[in-house]
Amino acid sequence: EAQVTQNPRYLITVTGKKLTVTCSQNMNHEYMSWYRQDPGLGLRQIYYSMNVEVTDKGDVPEGYKVSRKEKRNFPLILESPSPNQTSLYFCASTDRGPTDTQYFGPGTRLTVL
Amino acid sequence: GENVEQHPSTLSVQEGDSAVIKCTYSDSASNYFPWYKQELGKRPQLIIDIRSNVGEKKDQRIAVTLNKTAKHFSLHITETQPEDSAVYFCAVNNAGNMLTFGGGTRLMVKP
Repeated sequence: EAQVTQNPRYLITVTGKKLTVTCSQNMNHEYMSWYRQDPGLGLRQIYYSMNVEVTDKGDVPEGYKVSRKEKRNFPLILESPSPNQTSLYFCASTDRGPTDTQYFGPGTRLTVL
Repeated sequence: GENVEQHPSTLSVQEGDSAVIKCTYSDSASNYFPWYKQELGKRPQLIIDIRSNVGEKKDQRIAVTLNKTAKHFSLHITETQPEDSAVYFCAVNNAGNMLTFGGGTRLMVKP
């Protein structure tokens, strides 16, 4: 089954404790991205990757890191989480770029205390 | 960067009525305009999209219209049903290989 998976689905952590949210897709998609969703602000793009070893900042990259060592995986890293990073995070992938259909993962609800 | 404004933020209609959601954007180079539907607790899913070489696209009860000159596009849902209740997001691409989303519209269809 074609899908995008994220782990964990829910996470409660404390300020400053490094964490990684994994994202994996099995559709051989080239383009992957991370979004955060906050009430009234829609989905804001954090980082995106056009292909392996190619990553670029989105609209809200501060406090986040990503890597794309393999085509299928695109982890999101919070080196020192802060409470303002409490949000719902979605990973998404498309065949080639942003003008193709975005397939979203199930979401990760993160709470930073 | 791209600025996308979506209105209204909430919309309540009676079952069977039509619903219209509008988005405006700022980058005249944008050429891809999708709409996503997000049901409560679920992930967003594409429901319809339009590219700048057409002015209107229809798929059963939903349609999207695009006015490139005025830089706005709209989602039209006819004969609304309770299962249409969800949050709808418009989005616009930009030259930087990004997709910018509007703030979302919560549509409530009352039986």
